[in-house]
Amino acid sequence: DAGVIQSPRHEVTEMGQEVTLRCKPISGHNSLFWYRQTMMRGLELLIYFNNNVPIDDSGMPEDRFSAKMPNASFSTLKIQPSEPRDSAVYFCASSLSDVRRGRNTEAFFGQGTRLTVV
Amino acid sequence: KNQVEQSPQSLIILEGKNCTLQCNYTVSPFSNLRWYKQDTGRGPVSLTIMTFSENTKSNGRYTATLDADTKQSSLHITASQLSDSASYICVVSPGIYKYIFGTGTRLKVLA
Repeated sequence: DAGVIQSPRHEVTEMGQEVTLRCKPISGHNSLFWYRQTMMRGLELLIYFNNNVPIDDSGMPEDRFSAKMPNASFSTLKIQPSEPRDSAVYFCASSLSDVRRGRNTEAFFGQGTRLTVV
Repeated sequence: KNQVEQSPQSLIILEGKNCTLQCNYTVSPFSNLRWYKQDTGRGPVSLTIMTFSENTKSNGRYTATLDADTKQSSLHITASQLSDSASYICVVSPGIYKYIFGTGTRLKVLA
């Protein structure tokens, strides 16, 4: 398996534009996470999906952010409209979770998308 | 409030030397603690994971310790190499999908 695949690796956009980040989790994993990483705040969980269903989106900053997982092999994180303060590295991670037993394997991270909003 | 604090923020050592990174947490309940290594421009990669009953775990030259009573963990790197230069992130999980991340220790190994 190639691991978690994110695209694009880098994105530079103008303030006000729509940005879509993409993620392909590891095949067979049933949990998917979107994180944002900045120097000041480190890694922050934005949203967590289990079996394609959003379980916890309390980390999504505001209505400008939305995430979807239409199937087990694809997820998107959309920012519309983008603002300079959204500049960060966005990571997608996946893991295998057994919710009933409260267990999960380690989360495997993609290489991230570095977003710059000017 | 669930928090994970790491020290030092940054560290510079000479190749071949040992070093120890610290992690203190106030996360409750406690499920497990992980140490991740993050190379520049890449995603974090897991080094070790420890549950409540484990107090030491090794992965090559990396040895992690956990004291669940004092809520402290350390990551010891033996005989450092240039490739150890990275950020090391302590992550504590209070539940199945909840991960509380520290802000990391940036390690630089000099030749």
